[in-house]
Amino acid sequence: DAGVTQSPTHLIKTRGQQVTLRCSPKSGHDTVSWYQQALGQGPQFIFQYYEEEERQRGNFPDRFSGHQFPNYSSELNVNALLLGDSALYLCASSTPQGMATYEQYFGPGTRLTVT
Amino acid sequence: GESVGLHLPTLSVQEGDNSIINCAYSNSASDYFIWYKQESGKGPQFIIDIRSNMDKRQGQRVTVLLNKTVKHLSLQIAATQPGDSAVYFCAEISGATNKLIFGTGTLLAVQP
Repeated sequence: DAGVTQSPTHLIKTRGQQVTLRCSPKSGHDTVSWYQQALGQGPQFIFQYYEEEERQRGNFPDRFSGHQFPNYSSELNVNALLLGDSALYLCASSTPQGMATYEQYFGPGTRLTVT
Repeated sequence: GESVGLHLPTLSVQEGDNSIINCAYSNSASDYFIWYKQESGKGPQFIIDIRSNMDKRQGQRVTVLLNKTVKHLSLQIAATQPGDSAVYFCAEISGATNKLIFGTGTLLAVQP
């Protein structure tokens, strides 16, 4: 059973460009959350998707957007990249809503470098 | 605002010793706390969790203690091994959401 997978592993972009990151949740999971982790910091919540809709959002600008597909996989899009967007982007999936657990399973992340 | 922080950014211990990693949280409405371990190049890995109606929970070689009076959380690792070397994060979930709020992290370095 594959866990959470993310692609690509690493990515280098230039300021002003746009980027799309992808995530496939753990089998049986229907909720996907995205986090940004700057070097030496804890992950910061970006947003969460469930039933193809954004359910919650953290303190990130509208340049950050996402999508969830019918197969529960998800994309994170960042427009007009800034140097400060350089970070490890983590995807986490969790069990179906209503289950008595808050455990989230994280993928290995995508390392984004903006130059 | 909500925040979860750690007292010590780096903790160095000898192999075989017990380790204690501390965390302070500020949101008294949080009802669920989790400790994650993150090794270099990997995503956070779930270690142990505790609900706010508990004050202690034990796992395999790990124990989490919760003191709601002073909003303090700790992770105890017994007989620390080199494989325990990693960054450890505490995280909290507020209310009925699944939105994790992480602290900065503590680097645990186990000396052989």
